[in-house]
Amino acid sequence: EPEVTQTPSHQVTQMGQEVILRCVPISNHLYFYWYRQILGQKVEFLVSFYNNEISEKSEIFDDQFSVERPDGSNFTLKIRSTKLEDSAMYFCASGTVSYEQYFGPGTRLTVT
Amino acid sequence: RKEVEQDPGPFNVPEGATVAFNCTYSNSASQSFFWYRQDCRKEPKLLMSVYSSGNEDGRFTAQLNRASQYISLLIRDSKLSDSATYLCAVNTHNFNKFYFGSGTKLNVKP
Repeated sequence: EPEVTQTPSHQVTQMGQEVILRCVPISNHLYFYWYRQILGQKVEFLVSFYNNEISEKSEIFDDQFSVERPDGSNFTLKIRSTKLEDSAMYFCASGTVSYEQYFGPGTRLTVT
Repeated sequence: RKEVEQDPGPFNVPEGATVAFNCTYSNSASQSFFWYRQDCRKEPKLLMSVYSSGNEDGRFTAQLNRASQYISLLIRDSKLSDSATYLCAVNTHNFNKFYFGSGTKLNVKP
């Protein structure tokens, strides 16, 4: 069964550093998403991506965040200058036209 | 006002019990509704979409009440393996922006 994959599973970085989180969505999916979940809190929408551009973004997704689909398979989330409060689990998801989303296993980001 | 609200629980039920969760949403223009299950420190896994007419998948039944703006999930004959946090998700009239509830924790006990 096809699945979304994410790398790395855990990333530790220092405050102010840039990180890139990588995702390989399910191959025939057209919609791509990033979410974050701070420990013990709810899953929060960051951004959706369709047809090679951002279709929606949340208030959390400010200028320090960017997304790219650099080739036909990868979907990346870049955080330019990490802050302590960026520590969270970051989930990538991909979806179909029915908007059902399938999540990857997540990248745990720890900012020290 | 929160976009999506759920009772955090926990719901502690014995094996074989029937349990129901509700989830309310604030935006009457919301279009699509889903239930996910999330195990501790794992990703949300899609359990089922919720259709206007209601839908069933084995022991799980989902319903939508647009007038009162809530969705529900009924689990019959609970199994130990049903223990998890159940998240509802709603997408807005923009179709591509989703809101998740904080989840309802279910503990099924032997």
